[in-house]
Amino acid sequence: AQRVTQPEKLLSVFKGAPVELKCNYSYSGSPELFWYVQYSRQRLQLLLRHISRESIKGFTADLNKGETSFHLKKPFAQEEDSAMYYCALSLYNFNKFYFGSGTKLNVKP
Amino acid sequence: GAGVSQSPSNKVTEKGKDVELRCDPISGHTALYWYRQSLGQGLEFLIYFQGNSAPDKSGLPSDRFSAERTGGSVSTLTIQRTQQEDSAVYLCASSLTSGRAYNEQFFGPGTRLTVL
Repeated sequence: AQRVTQPEKLLSVFKGAPVELKCNYSYSGSPELFWYVQYSRQRLQLLLRHISRESIKGFTADLNKGETSFHLKKPFAQEEDSAMYYCALSLYNFNKFYFGSGTKLNVKP
Repeated sequence: GAGVSQSPSNKVTEKGKDVELRCDPISGHTALYWYRQSLGQGLEFLIYFQGNSAPDKSGLPSDRFSAERTGGSVSTLTIQRTQQEDSAVYLCASSLTSGRAYNEQFFGPGTRLTVL
C-alpha cells in the first residue's frame, strides 16, 4: 500500500539555521510528490511539487528514488516559515492523494 | 472569484444525529476531493469526484459516510448516525484538471465537526 511518512511531529530551529523536514514514501512505481503548507489560521496550500523542480520561498525538495525520500530543505529558516508542513504523494494517472501526518515547524527568533 | 468555500465552519452535534457538510469548489474545477484531518493523523482521503465519472469512494471509513456532487459543482458530505470518533476537521479541495497529477489542489477552510 502507498504510504507517506513524516517522522517528526515537531521541528524547532532558530532563525537563520538550516532546516530539513523529512518525508519518506512507499510506492514501487513513479509517484508525484508534493509539499503542502498550512500557516496559522490559513488554508492548506501547495508549496512545491517535485515535477516542477522549483524553489519556493527558499525551500527546495529533491526526489530520491533510491531512498524513496522527498525531504524539504531551506538553508536559512525565517520566523515566517513557522507552519504545518505536509508531504503528499499522488500516483501517476490516478488522482488519489496520500498525505503524511505533518510536521510542525517552529522557527524561534 | 472566491476560492473553495465550505459550510458550516463549525458544527456541534449529538452522537447518533446526521450531519451534512457542504463544499463549493472553484468554478470550472472538475475534480473535487474530501479529506478528514484528525489531530496527529494528517489528512485522510475520503472521496474523489471527477467530472461525470463515478466517484472514487475507496477512502470512506464506513457506510455511514456518503457524498454527492450535483451538477458537477457543489458537493455534500453526509455522515449518518454520527459517532464521537467522527469528530475532526473535514476539508474539501478542488482542482482544475485530472489525469497526470500536475494539478494543484485548492483547499477550503474546512468544517470542524464535534460530536458530543
